[in-house]
Amino acid sequence: SAVISQKPSRDICQRGTSLTIQCQVDSQVTMMFWYRQQPGQSLTLIATANQGSEATYESGFVIDKFPISRPNLTFSTLTVSNMSPEDSSIYLCSVVPGPLLGEQYFGPGTRLTVT
Amino acid sequence: GENVEQHPSTLSVQEGDSAVIKCTYSDSASNYFPWYKQELGKRPQLIIDIRSNVGEKKDQRIAVTLNKTAKHFSLHITETQPEDSAVYFCAASKTGGSYIPTFGRGTSLIVHP
Repeated sequence: SAVISQKPSRDICQRGTSLTIQCQVDSQVTMMFWYRQQPGQSLTLIATANQGSEATYESGFVIDKFPISRPNLTFSTLTVSNMSPEDSSIYLCSVVPGPLLGEQYFGPGTRLTVT
Repeated sequence: GENVEQHPSTLSVQEGDSAVIKCTYSDSASNYFPWYKQELGKRPQLIIDIRSNVGEKKDQRIAVTLNKTAKHFSLHITETQPEDSAVYFCAASKTGGSYIPTFGRGTSLIVHP
């Protein structure tokens, strides 16, 4: 398994500003993902955070809006840029320590409210 | 790409009854099928999984079955308890370097005492 922490746990931000969310894992992991979860909805994959290279974004998500960094195998950040109320959501970091096994673990999430 | 359908969206049962949640997937190459439980305000947590070389797996009151031919898998919870109340998500994926899971829409299970 993996122990994942995220900072901040929640924030209230004004529209037009940016927020950077940090994800820290207690061990080196190959695969790290960022998800968005709207209230009462399923998990939507934003991007795969690649160590040492640009993130791989899913359809509907772009680097200018959601820049991602992954400087090493235990840490990643997701920035939500130029926020609007539609960005209000829970953002979750997730890791798969062993891609051949497939078990996936989630961080506690960051609850973002944009006013 | 993979498409995962999950039913029902809401399931209400009495304590002690059984609950069954069903998922179908589209990609026959998928070989890993986990189930996650998400309690209100908490993160999703892996509760059980099954791989394509196995037809059924049990862990105490929960079990998962897989029918590769029909491309569907199910979660079975027996002797439900109020603490089983949560949203349950199924997922399907191909393990390996290109691992990207596809999640179902979730089932809200309510267990009435």
